[in-house]
Amino acid sequence: GDSVTQMEGPVTLSEEAFLTINCTYTATGYPSLFWYVQYPGEGLQLLLKATKADDKGSNKGFEATYRKETTSFHLEKGSVQVSDSAVYFCALSYRTSYGKLTFGQGTILTVHP
Amino acid sequence: EAQVTQNPRYLITVTGKKLTVTCSQNMNHEYMSWYRQDPGLGLRQIYYSMNVEVTDKGDVPEGYKVSRKEKRNFPLILESPSPNQTSLYFCASSVGQSNEKLFFGSGTQLSVL
Repeated sequence: GDSVTQMEGPVTLSEEAFLTINCTYTATGYPSLFWYVQYPGEGLQLLLKATKADDKGSNKGFEATYRKETTSFHLEKGSVQVSDSAVYFCALSYRTSYGKLTFGQGTILTVHP
Repeated sequence: EAQVTQNPRYLITVTGKKLTVTCSQNMNHEYMSWYRQDPGLGLRQIYYSMNVEVTDKGDVPEGYKVSRKEKRNFPLILESPSPNQTSLYFCASSVGQSNEKLFFGSGTQLSVL
């Protein structure tokens, strides 16, 4: 079956540091890929997405590129802020799956001033 | 404001005492689902609904029931809760079959003693 694997956390960085959170997937078809973010005490919010190979999703300074050859969708940000502290989830879904997402285990990011 | 509303936010109960977690969305979305979030496992889908009176099992449906009598509401029912159902629960909704974006509620933290 399909699965998503994220790098283990927690990840702790200083403000303005470079961020990478690794995500790899196993899929039987050609899914869309997503990054969702969960701020403390809140539900998940869509951060960015990519629907086909070589697409780059971007939002709020975060980027991720859909790499079919390496089955990866790594999240990157050039300069993190304290306000980026949250849990980040990588996920995949198919167009015909009625919105069902297969999630990774989540990566906790803490950014210190 | 477009939103998914869950209640209660926190719930502590005892084994075997029936409970219902409510979920309501004001976006006229066709699709709704329930997820549970557990440390190290990410989010896993419990049940989903494609429209009124149409529901189906997700990946971890055992011990749960749902109903969809109205388009806006999708309650989650635990008829005989057990300690292994202690978890953080999220309701989500989206437009039709599209997996482009899910809207999540703020979560319900359930503890079963």
